[in-house]
Amino acid sequence: DTEVTQTPKHLVMGMTNKKSLKCEQHMGHRAMYWYKQKAKKPPELMFVYSYEKLSINESVPSRFSPECPNSSLLNLHLHALQPEDSALYLCASSHNGVGGRSGSYGYTFGSGTRLTVV
Amino acid sequence: AQKITQTQPGMFVQEKEAVTLDCTYDTSDPSYGLFWYKQPSSGEMIFLIYQGSYDQQNATEGRYSLNFQKARKSANLVISASQLGDSAMYFCAMRGDSGGGADGLTFGKGTHLIIQP
Repeated sequence: DTEVTQTPKHLVMGMTNKKSLKCEQHMGHRAMYWYKQKAKKPPELMFVYSYEKLSINESVPSRFSPECPNSSLLNLHLHALQPEDSALYLCASSHNGVGGRSGSYGYTFGSGTRLTVV
Repeated sequence: AQKITQTQPGMFVQEKEAVTLDCTYDTSDPSYGLFWYKQPSSGEMIFLIYQGSYDQQNATEGRYSLNFQKARKSANLVISASQLGDSAMYFCAMRGDSGGGADGLTFGKGTHLIIQP
């Protein structure tokens, strides 16, 4: 299995709702990532988990709460979001180490969740 | 800090022609990795090619090759014999090697490539 699976593919939520995004991989990767991508912009790193521990938080507002229950699963809990949080949320995974060829230490991305906050 | 610069917001190319997408970078890390990704309108990020900073030869993957000029800090992507299916957004990205831990990617702003029949 060489995929990163993200669910749901699309999500519409109100500003008072609580929802969660899910990301799953079974490649044995020990690093997992959340990126946010606004329309016509590059992805921006939000969080990095290394061996199930949060290692990087790029000053993301607390209304975004990541969770890594095990080495295969990464969640992003959403609460009290704003319309400007509407974006494509991409999950990625990689081996935890130097080097970079795909299939060894490269990054594998999911197809993303398109989030709309109304 | 790392920075990736892609100076071509958009490109129109005739089918079957070769395409060069520009990428320059800046980093203080002695060791780093450079990536190119393709993103169709559907949103998924598709890995194309990787170049390590200490690799002696330019990377190649099928129709994709990377013109790596370390002294100039450039890592241009070359697509040979372009196809209609190559129309997409292309991102150059970098990962620094900060000590063996997991590092995220820093992306350039991207180039929107359109292949015309």
